[in-house]
Parts: sequence; C-alpha cells; structure tokens
Amino acid sequence: QAQLQQSGPGLVKPSQTLSLTCAISGDSVSSISAAWNWIRQSPSRGLEWLGRTYYRTKWSNDYADSVEGRITINPDTSKNQFSLQLNSVTPEDTAVYYCARGVWYFDLWGRGTLVIVSS
Amino acid sequence: SYEVTQPLSVSVALGQTARITCGGNNIGSRNVHWYQQKPGQAPVLVIYVIYSDSKRPSGIPERFSGSNSGTTATLTISRAQAGDEADYYCQVWDGSTAVFGGGTKLTVL
Repeated sequence: QAQLQQSGPGLVKPSQTLSLTCAISGDSVSSISAAWNWIRQSPSRGLEWLGRTYYRTKWSNDYADSVEGRITINPDTSKNQFSLQLNSVTPEDTAVYYCARGVWYFDLWGRGTLVIVSS
Repeated sequence: SYEVTQPLSVSVALGQTARITCGGNNIGSRNVHWYQQKPGQAPVLVIYVIYSDSKRPSGIPERFSGSNSGTTATLTISRAQAGDEADYYCQVWDGSTAVFGGGTKLTVL
C-alpha cells in the first residue's frame, strides 16, 4: 500500500521561500509510469494544481502558469522523495498543500500541510 | 485557459440519486475525473477515465458512476447515503496543466 508522507514548516514569512517535502513509500519517485504532483487548496482559489515532476527517459517538470517562475519541484532519488519550493511568497500563498501521485488523475494523496504566510 | 464549472451545492434525499455536473466547452472530448473530499481530509479519487471508459478505484462503491457528453460531465451517486455528504471536484487536463472545478457541496437530506 503506497503512502505519501509530507513534511515542512507551517509558517513562512512574506517574501521568503516555502519548502515542503513528500516522502514516498511503496512506490518509486523514478517510476516511469508515475508522476509526482503538488496541489494546494485555499478558500479563495479552491483546488489548484501547482506542478509535477516525472521520469521517463529523463527528468521533466510541468508547472502551472500561476506560479511559473517562482516554483521548483525536484526529485530526490536517494531518499525516494520529491520537494516543492515556492519563492517570494505572499499571504495569497496561504493554503493547505498536498502532494499527490498521478499522471492523468491523482490516485494517492498526502495528508496535507497547512502553510500560513505571515510575518 | 480551459475552465470547468460546477454548481456550488446539490441536495439529495436519502436513498435517492444525486447528480453533480461539471461544465466546460466541449468537455465531452476530455477525460473528466472526480474526487470526494470530506472535512479535514485530503481528496479521494472516486471516478477516473481511461480511453473514455469510466472506472472506479478499488473500494469505491458501484453506486458512483460517471458520464460525459457535449458540454457537461456528470457524477451520479445512486442510493445516496449520509456518508456521501462531502465536497466533490471534477478535474481535467488543459495541455500540460491540471484544472479542477470549484467544487460542489453535496447535502444528503
């Protein structure tokens, strides 16, 4: 039974970088049949897909236009996990952040991390 | 960018059939996936589509089904139970970007 375990701070100051990690068990970040996603949810923006990383013959990323230029999603094969970095955060980035597995649909989700952007 | 629209709320009597819609331009040409989310929990996949074939993940009751045609995709929940009360979201892809609907709150009366 695959699982995703999220970790990272719940409070980030404005203009700083939000960093979260998603540890994978029961699957592999290098799987050629999977993709590893970050999704966030807030009352104002609903569910918002942020981006994904995946391996086929090489590592690739896709990012949402709304965060392009501020976001980096990286795999860590040595620890079988992947991470989210979101730069220059503002209070509008306050949300519950989820990691999720899926190429076309998301069949496995982490439990979510509430991240508050506040000084 | 592609947008999908859901009603804010749907009510259904206990034991009756609930239909939750997801509207979009020619959405019938896209695969529409559905999620259930209960308060304080992560979304759970309830319907996914492969090659236009609607499927249920293991553990999801047969009461849940999906259909899609024209400008509307529909999640149908037959014989609604109190435990089906939740928020439901549709999801599609627009190129290399996943798009979610705004969500529908299902109330079971």
